[in-house]
Parts: sequence; C-alpha cells; structure tokens
Amino acid sequence: GQQLNQSPQSMFIQEGEDVSMNCTSSSIFNTWLWYKQDPGEGPVLLIALYKAGELTSNGRLTAQFGITRKDSFLNISASIPSDVGIYFCAGQAGLDSNYQLIWGAGTKLIIKP
Amino acid sequence: EAGVAQSPRYKIIEKRQSVAFWCNPISGHATLYWYQQILGQGPKLLIQFQNNGVVDDSQLPKDRFSAERLKGVDSTLKIQPAKLEDSAVYLCASSLDRVFANTEAFFGQGTRLTVV
Repeated sequence: GQQLNQSPQSMFIQEGEDVSMNCTSSSIFNTWLWYKQDPGEGPVLLIALYKAGELTSNGRLTAQFGITRKDSFLNISASIPSDVGIYFCAGQAGLDSNYQLIWGAGTKLIIKP
Repeated sequence: EAGVAQSPRYKIIEKRQSVAFWCNPISGHATLYWYQQILGQGPKLLIQFQNNGVVDDSQLPKDRFSAERLKGVDSTLKIQPAKLEDSAVYLCASSLDRVFANTEAFFGQGTRLTVV
C-alpha cells in the first residue's frame, strides 16, 4: 500500500540532544498527525496539524505542517530516556482517498547509554 | 474516557487455522479502523467502517480476511485460514468521524498474532 517517506529510519542519540525527523509525500495532505508507539502498545497521538505552515508544540515536541502540504517535521528538544520508541507520521488527504490515513514506516529513536 | 479495547492481546495458532479478533471502540466514535502492522513497518489499513458500513476495504485480502461491525459499535476481524505471513500485530482504532479535519484516530493496544 501507499506510504509516506519518513526519515531517518532510526536515530542513535545521547540523552539531552535535540532530535529531528520528517515525512514527505508526493501528494498533498489536509492533515498531518504524529504518533509515538512504545513496545507492545498501539500508537499514541502526539500532535495534530491542520493548516499549511502551522507550528504546534506539545511539551518538548514541536511539529510543523509544511508550506507545500507535502511534508511535515517533528522535533524533540532535550531528549530523555522515555522518548525512546518509534515515531510515525500519518497524512490524511480528502474525499478522493476516503479520508484514509497514510502512514510512514516510522523512525526508531534509541538513546545511547 | 475509556480507550479502544481489543482482545485477545496475544494469539498463537497453526497455519490453516482460523482466528478472530474483537474491538470495542471509544463510545460515540463513528469510524472504526482495522490495521495490520508487520514487525518493523508502519500500520497498514485493512478496512475502515463508518458506523456499520464499509468505507474502504481495498487492502483487505478478502479470500481469507473478513470483518463486520453489525450494530455500528463493536467489530470483529477474522482470518480463515491463516498463513504464516499473517503474523503481525492487528490494531483497531476509532475516530469521531472520517470527514472532519479535527478528527484523530485513537488506537487500542493491538493483538499480536503468531502463525506457526
């Protein structure tokens, strides 16, 4: 099935570092969602974006809806051990696609001891 | 507010056997999704219901998978017969509605299926 291009695939970082990841699409989306999935759990919504150019924060997390509506970015500042997990982006177009959520393959965040 | 409930959490079956998963969405949520998540990949939509009607089942392997949401609330997903490649986590999600921009999907914990 169709997927977004999410990068990087994985990240090894030191505690306290800032993290950046992004998603790109060949098609335009009306909504971008960022989820985090812990082992053995379902994805949990972190941030939802609804307008091109929108910048939204949730604690140390900040996400942006790209101006072209074909990309989105997630930044995590001052990472801590509980940030470890897999981060997914998901985009939603419109009626033509039955409002289906299209998912990225995920960015696995690993904090180096 | 109670979240999306799924059962069982884990299931191990032999190939060619049948299996069924159950999902109870968040109260009042009209849209229900079943996703398949293979290890190391993002969720893949299998079927989407709006109330008790199917909106999108284009990626559902209909020769072996079936799903229903008879009263527009609970849903079951069945695999009959199972294949080794069906080993995955099956996630159920629900949202208020598929249409409005301020709708987000909330996920259950999933059912991890292992086919041996």
